[in-house]
Amino acid sequence: QSVLTQPPSASGTPGQRVTISCSGSSSNIGSNTVTWYQQVPGTAPKLVVYDNNQRPSGVPDRFSGSQSGTSASLAISGLQSEDEADYYCAAWDDSLGGVLFGGGTKLTVL
Amino acid sequence: EVQLVESGGGLAQPGGSLRLSCSASGLTFSRSVMHWVRQAPGKGPEYLSGILDSGETTRYADSVKGRFAISRDNSKNTLFLQMTTLRPEDTAVYYCVKGLVGVPGGFDPWGQGTLVIVSS
Repeated sequence: QSVLTQPPSASGTPGQRVTISCSGSSSNIGSNTVTWYQQVPGTAPKLVVYDNNQRPSGVPDRFSGSQSGTSASLAISGLQSEDEADYYCAAWDDSLGGVLFGGGTKLTVL
Repeated sequence: EVQLVESGGGLAQPGGSLRLSCSASGLTFSRSVMHWVRQAPGKGPEYLSGILDSGETTRYADSVKGRFAISRDNSKNTLFLQMTTLRPEDTAVYYCVKGLVGVPGGFDPWGQGTLVIVSS
């Protein structure tokens, strides 16, 4: 079973920069682009990064994504209290023939 | 503004059926690739199914293949998910999502979700 692995938690203080990792394999991140979603508890996920490093309109430039080999990262700079949420990575998997989501990272703003 | 509004969730017995609907507005629905994604309590999202704009091509995750059927009515801007042979592990919030053009795994926006509980 193909999986995308994320750390269960991350934290930072206001103004800091935090990074969330997503580890995959050659059949997903290694050969396809990564998207990132933000989910505030009780609401639907919201797209914050697509195609590894592109931001939809309306997403602050404090959010940035990168990809290298079979891993990807989401960085949030100038951390704000409203960034406290769960973050999920996703990518197409060639072996599965479908989209995989990571298990999620809970970001706490201290 | 694109809006996706799901309905049809609720309590179902194991082995039972439910039909979810998703009403879309603010977009050219007949030209949009649409999908269903679910999220079990405390878990990450799980991709379920997708349908191309014409409705002629569909895709399913192995976990629901043969039990769920996706369809659409472009004249009514509505997406459907017919769920049969429901199992307790199908308990989740079900989201209707619009596919991002050219981005596999790119879903934007998401509906508010409809909760399905499978229990006796």
